[in-house]
Parts: sequence; C-alpha cells; structure tokens
Amino acid sequence: AQSVTQLDSQVPVFEEAPVELRCNYSSSVSVYLFWYVQYPNQGLQLLLKYLSGSTLVESINGFEAEFNKSQTSFHLRKPSVHISDTAEYFCAVRSFDDYKLSFGAGTTVTVRA
Amino acid sequence: DGGITQSPKYLFRKEGQNVTLSCEQNLNHDAMYWYRQDPGQGLRLIYYSQIVNDFQKGDIAEGYSVSREKKESFPLTVTSAQKNPTAFYLCASGQEFTDTQYFGPGTRLTVL
Repeated sequence: AQSVTQLDSQVPVFEEAPVELRCNYSSSVSVYLFWYVQYPNQGLQLLLKYLSGSTLVESINGFEAEFNKSQTSFHLRKPSVHISDTAEYFCAVRSFDDYKLSFGAGTTVTVRA
Repeated sequence: DGGITQSPKYLFRKEGQNVTLSCEQNLNHDAMYWYRQDPGQGLRLIYYSQIVNDFQKGDIAEGYSVSREKKESFPLTVTSAQKNPTAFYLCASGQEFTDTQYFGPGTRLTVL
C-alpha cells in the first residue's frame, strides 16, 4: 500500500511570486507520481506526471516537479504565478502493479494581486 | 468530442432515498473508477472496474453499489445505508496498463 502526504493545506501567494507545493509519499514498491489541479466545482485535470527517465518533469503552463527517490518527494514548483493559478492541487501516487491512485489531502493555492 | 460526462452536476435527495449517479465515457477506456471527495480529505476510492461485468470495492465501498454492463458506462448508486452521503463524487477512466486517469466534471450530491 502507498500513501501521500501534502505538507501544506493552504498556500497564499502574491501574483508573479514563486510557489512550491510539497508532496511526500511512502511505498514499498516503485511508483508513478502525478500532480492534478482542480478549479472550483470542477473535476481534476492532470498537470504533470513522472513515469521514468528524467526526474524533472514540466507542464505546458510553467509548472515543474522533481522526483527525488532518496527523499521520497515530488514537489511542485512554479517560478511566477498568475491569478488564474488559484486552485486546489493534488499529489497522487500509483504503484507499478496496481490501478489505484492514492491521493494527498490537497493544497489550496490562492494567488493575490 | 471525447471525454467523460457525469450527470447531473447537482443532485438533491431526501434522507433514506437511493440515488444513482451517471458516468459515461467515449474514450474506449477499459478501467473506470468512482471517487468521493470531502473537504480536506483528498479523494477516496469507492469502486473500480477493470473490464465489463467486473468490479472491485475500493477503500470506502460501504453504502454504495455499482454496475458495469457496458464498457462506456459505470453508474454509482448511493444507497440509504450510506451514513454520510453528502459529498462531491468524481468518476474517472483509464486505459488498462497505462498510467493516467481522466476525470469527469463531478456530481455534487446533497442529502437533505
């Protein structure tokens, strides 16, 4: 079984400032890692994912996340946020041999002008 | 237009009534999932189905039932046995042996 911990439940940030959302996981087997974003009253959209290869993965809208196996982390970063980045962000993990995703509790990012 | 549809978007029911939430996908995905989302708790898996006519309980299946008679459809019934049914329900689908789950827009169920 695997589990995910998102260390911050709320992250307020000013527009054009950087942001980092922390995610740690535990698992006895190798895993895939994901970040999803949820805008109010909507479903989840995949932001980025780590499957294998380069430990640094990027999204089309400027987010990036780095897989750190020794620290079992997959932190999400963006160097300069926009008002439109206001949303809830979920880290998720899935083991290689399972269909099921395990989600963290979510981090709400509020971007202010 | 490919994707996952859930209906209705908002649903109100009286306590003690069963209610069925619809989930349809035209992505030709084999696997489908139902999650429940509560504030501050992330998503929790209710049921999942890998193929037609087969499904398995997730972490919080008590008080829920599902069917998978067609590949594109995976309806969820919230029964009167579910003690706290008010929540946001999300359906997802994915290809067997691949990684990504795609989510529908969700149904917000309120039991009065």
